[in-house]
Amino acid sequence: DADVTQTPRNRITKTGKRIMLECSQTKGHDRMYWYRQDPGLGLRLIYYSFDVKDINKGEISDGYSVSRQAQAKFSLSLESAIPNQTALYFCATSDPSGVWGGYTFGSGTRLTVV
Amino acid sequence: AQSVTQLDSHVSVSEGTPVLLRCNYSSSYSPSLFWYVQHPNKGLQLLLKYTSAATLVKGINGFEAEFKKSETSFHLTKPSAHMSDAAEYFCVVSEPFGNEKLTFGTGTRLTIIP
Repeated sequence: DADVTQTPRNRITKTGKRIMLECSQTKGHDRMYWYRQDPGLGLRLIYYSFDVKDINKGEISDGYSVSRQAQAKFSLSLESAIPNQTALYFCATSDPSGVWGGYTFGSGTRLTVV
Repeated sequence: AQSVTQLDSHVSVSEGTPVLLRCNYSSSYSPSLFWYVQHPNKGLQLLLKYTSAATLVKGINGFEAEFKKSETSFHLTKPSAHMSDAAEYFCVVSEPFGNEKLTFGTGTRLTIIP
């Protein structure tokens, strides 16, 4: 099983709909992140959480919200989806003490808003 | 504030020839620097990491990068390109002091010519 699992892998939704992207991890890491990837822009941070009671906005949080239900689960919601939120979304976890930088990424969720 | 500039959006090399992907960074502190690779329709894989130890960092699949503080650069190299190296590569910076947020470059797409 993957260390960081994102569901769904692909989703097409209509403008104005609410949608939730889910992320679960088996790494035991406290820190979790949501990024979005757009062609030519790299990955940009949406929200991050350093523990269950800690939620922080990233550089592009407008139009998104998150929920940290447990150490292992971190969900991203789009309350009213719009077409410019069409992107590839990545969840990640980190362990600052890790030898290799400690970041583990999920396989991504490709979201299309029509 | 930290930032990363990948100097080439697209690099093409012939199979068996050297690869050079260029990255410059800006950081207020002594940063950690990473290179990640993303193969088509795949997630992100860590190639290598610099964390203020040896300035020449060896990674997986024959890649290496050299940290040059005077030039604020962290270029990725490989002596001999292989067809399987075709992918998108991201240079990433992270600042210390418990702030583990990553800032991504915009990516360099590497094409290998048979």
